[in-house]
Amino acid sequence: EAGVVQSPRYKIIEKKQPVAFWCNPISGHNTLYWYLQNLGQGPELLIRYENEEAVDDSQLPKDRFSAERLKGVDSTLKIQPAELGDSAVYLCASSSGIGGYNEQFFGPGTRLTVL
Amino acid sequence: AQKITQTQPGMFVQEKEAVTLDCTYDTSDPSYGLFWYKQPSSGEMIFLIYQGSYDQQNATEGRYSLNFQKARKSANLVISASQLGDSAMYFCAMRGTNSGGGADGLTFGKGTHLIIQP
Repeated sequence: EAGVVQSPRYKIIEKKQPVAFWCNPISGHNTLYWYLQNLGQGPELLIRYENEEAVDDSQLPKDRFSAERLKGVDSTLKIQPAELGDSAVYLCASSSGIGGYNEQFFGPGTRLTVL
Repeated sequence: AQKITQTQPGMFVQEKEAVTLDCTYDTSDPSYGLFWYKQPSSGEMIFLIYQGSYDQQNATEGRYSLNFQKARKSANLVISASQLGDSAMYFCAMRGTNSGGGADGLTFGKGTHLIIQP
C-alpha cells in the first residue's frame, strides 16, 4: 500500500512569490490534515478535511494561506504571497476518519525556504 | 484547549540501556488519545504507540511501552534496550474528539532529541 505522497520535497522561493504544495493521501482515507512544522518544534495543525469539506481551519492564516480538496482525494495548500517566516516543513497526513485508534499517517513533508 | 508538555529538550543514552521520555498533557475532553511519534533526521513522522484514555492497560509495541498515569496526566514513553537507530526526535501528541464524533488533528509537544551513544 502506498503511503502519503507529497510534492515537491523541497522548494526555495523569494519572498512575495506564491507557492503551492500537493498531497495525495492513502487510498480510501477520508480525513486529510495539513500541518506546519517550524525548526525545532512539533507540528501544528493548519487545516483538517473530511472528504472535500474543511471542517477545522481555525489555525489557517487565511490572509495568505488557502487550501482545497476538490474531489475529496488529493489536496493543495497555497501561500500567496510568501513571507520569510513561512520557511518551515509542511506535512500532510491522512487517516480513515473513524473514531477510536484512528492513526494518522504522515507524508515526507515539503521543506519550504523563503529568501 | 489541549496542551502537551515535553520537558526534556535532549537526552544522551548509552546503547542497550532503557530510556524514558517524559510527556504530560492537559485537556478537558473526557475521551482522548495519546500518541508517540519518532522523527529521524530524514523528516518523516513514524508512529510508535497509542494509548486511549479509557484503556485499562498500558500500551506496548515491541521495545516501546507507554507508562500511562491518568491521574497525573502523564504518558511517558519507555524504550527498552536502546539501539543506535533509535537516535531521533520523539514527539508526544494528543487527539481529542470533536462534537461530531470525528477525530481532531493532533496537538504535539515540542519534542525530545534522543541520542544513543555506542
